[in-house]
Amino acid sequence: DAGVIQSPRHEVTEMGQEVTLRCKPISGHNSLFWYRQTMMRGLELLIYFNNNVPIDDSGMPEDRFSAKMPNASFSTLKIQPSEPRDSAVYFCASSSIRDGRNQPQHFGDGTRLSIL
Amino acid sequence: QKEVEQDPGPLSVPEGAIVSLNCTYSNSAFQYFMWYRQYSRKGPELLMYTYSSGNKEDGRFTAQVDKSSKYISLFIRDSQPSDSATYLCAIRGDGNQFYFGTGTSLTVIP
Repeated sequence: DAGVIQSPRHEVTEMGQEVTLRCKPISGHNSLFWYRQTMMRGLELLIYFNNNVPIDDSGMPEDRFSAKMPNASFSTLKIQPSEPRDSAVYFCASSSIRDGRNQPQHFGDGTRLSIL
Repeated sequence: QKEVEQDPGPLSVPEGAIVSLNCTYSNSAFQYFMWYRQYSRKGPELLMYTYSSGNKEDGRFTAQVDKSSKYISLFIRDSQPSDSATYLCAIRGDGNQFYFGTGTSLTVIP
């Protein structure tokens, strides 16, 4: 049973470049979450989707960040232009819904992003 | 005040010790509590979850919730070197989102 799949696993790029992170959630899961993890701030929720619709994007730090979920099996997180302070590990997670409530999330192994 | 506060550690114990990991939360309406384990360079992995006050056991792991104190704990009995990881508590909020603690790094020394 495949878990959440993220790509790429590592990304190193120069400041100002566009970065696109990709996520394939677990089949059948209705909710998808994007997180950023740093030593200083821990796991921060950036945005979450329910049935492909963005529900809460209050964690998206700036207009440089955007996320899409064109269908139930794919989502992207884009940073344009990238800055060194965006360097972090970005996680995607998905969960099913029962009785209208999100069930525990399952995480991918993350994308380690370094902006030089 | 953050929704969830977690003891940052790090924690270092000898093999076989009992480990206690703790979090507090701010909103008494929160009802769904989870513990995740995260190995280095991997994503968080769901360990246990519970709705109610009291204890829930799974092998060497026990999750404890005290709603009156807004306090949750994870106990690990007979700790093993393979338990060395970062442990994150998580709580589902009213709006269906999840709040995570910052994690406690645990090292079990053989």
